[in-house]
Amino acid sequence: NAGVMQNPRHLVRRRGQEARLRCSPMKGHSHVYWYRQLPEEGLKFMVYLQKENIIDESGMPKERFSAEFPKEGPSILRIQQVVRGDSAAYFCASSPLLGAQPGNTIYFGEGSWLTVV
Amino acid sequence: KQEVTQIPAALSVPEGENLVLNCSFTDSAIYNLQWFRQDPGKGLTSLLLIQSSQREQTSGRLNASLDKSSGRSTLYIAASQPGDSATYLCAVNKGGATNKLIFGTGTLLAVQP
Repeated sequence: NAGVMQNPRHLVRRRGQEARLRCSPMKGHSHVYWYRQLPEEGLKFMVYLQKENIIDESGMPKERFSAEFPKEGPSILRIQQVVRGDSAAYFCASSPLLGAQPGNTIYFGEGSWLTVV
Repeated sequence: KQEVTQIPAALSVPEGENLVLNCSFTDSAIYNLQWFRQDPGKGLTSLLLIQSSQREQTSGRLNASLDKSSGRSTLYIAASQPGDSATYLCAVNKGGATNKLIFGTGTLLAVQP
């Protein structure tokens, strides 16, 4: 039973390029979360998605960042026109159910490390 | 706004010592609290999850306690080993529809052989 799969694990982009990070949730999970860990900072919530629906995007930067979780395929976190300050570890997590409720454990992936040069 | 603080930021102990990591949070209205371990360049490993109605959880040499009214949790590690060296993160789940975790900045633990 594969866990939460993220790819690429490491990505290097030049300033101004686009970065696409992918997340395949655990089997049977239809809810995905993205968190960002900036250097020397804690993990910060970015967005919570259900298939074809954004539940909460209160942690997403207003510009250049977008996320989707289509009916088929992985969730994608897209960063346009990357800047050096986007360099961070991006973690995806998944859960089987909506919201906080018994049995709705959140499982984290191994992370994707983005370096902007 | 919920804020989570972890003290100390870093800790170095000799092998075999018992140790306590602290986590405090400002809003006591939480759904659960979770302790994670993070190794350098790696993802998060869940160690213990305490529901708001519980006082503590144990797993092997680890024991986590929760005092919701005072906004505090501790992670107790018994008989520490070099393999315990990692960053330990606590995260609070406020509950509700978003199931969002608010993380502390972590305690970097080094256990010296």
